[in-house]
Amino acid sequence: DTAVSQTPKYLVTQMGNDKSIKCEQNLGHDTMYWYKQDSKKFLKIMFSYNNKELIINETVPNRFSPKSPDKAHLNLHINSLELGDSAVYFCASSQKTGGATEAFFGQGTRLTVV
Amino acid sequence: AQKVTQAQTEISVVEKEDVTLDCVYETRDTTYYLFWYKQPPSGELVFLIRRNSFDEQNEISGRYSWNFQKSTSSFNFTITASQVVDSAVYFCALSERNTGGFKTIFGAGTRLFVKA
Repeated sequence: DTAVSQTPKYLVTQMGNDKSIKCEQNLGHDTMYWYKQDSKKFLKIMFSYNNKELIINETVPNRFSPKSPDKAHLNLHINSLELGDSAVYFCASSQKTGGATEAFFGQGTRLTVV
Repeated sequence: AQKVTQAQTEISVVEKEDVTLDCVYETRDTTYYLFWYKQPPSGELVFLIRRNSFDEQNEISGRYSWNFQKSTSSFNFTITASQVVDSAVYFCALSERNTGGFKTIFGAGTRLFVKA
């Protein structure tokens, strides 16, 4: 059973298109995240949701819109894709407790914008 | 503001050597958490360890050990008798309080090559 699964694993698309990445976790966690990893391996948080509510929104362009229909799902929709959006996008989840707990990551979605 | 520095971009060792990956952090919070993650060539991110700011005990897990020193704001990771399977990018991360929860930032990562 995959704990955090995201689809698709690879996504190649043209500039200007709109695309979505889906993420689901079956761990019963309350908090979910989207991270972006660029070609130099820098890993940066984009969004964090706790129980469907947005709690962290880093300075991400408005073209990126996360949607959490329930606490087990956090999808990422990207409008008007640009070359600079090419990266690996990781979904993750963690259990909300009194402190920070480790994140469980999906396998990543490699987005290539051509 | 949060900051995590992994000064070693790449390290190359020969199998069976010991290797230490450095991590230095900055935070103004007194309650924070430190993590190490491993990203093997296959690309997934794997959790290795979590430490809270009130627990300075060092930890050993098999060939892995971690040295947490608040006095120097460091959380270093040592692999003893390295193996080829240890080849990966290793990330140190820091979580501190943020509106609604905790925010985690990652260091730039250290790529470890272990040669047979």
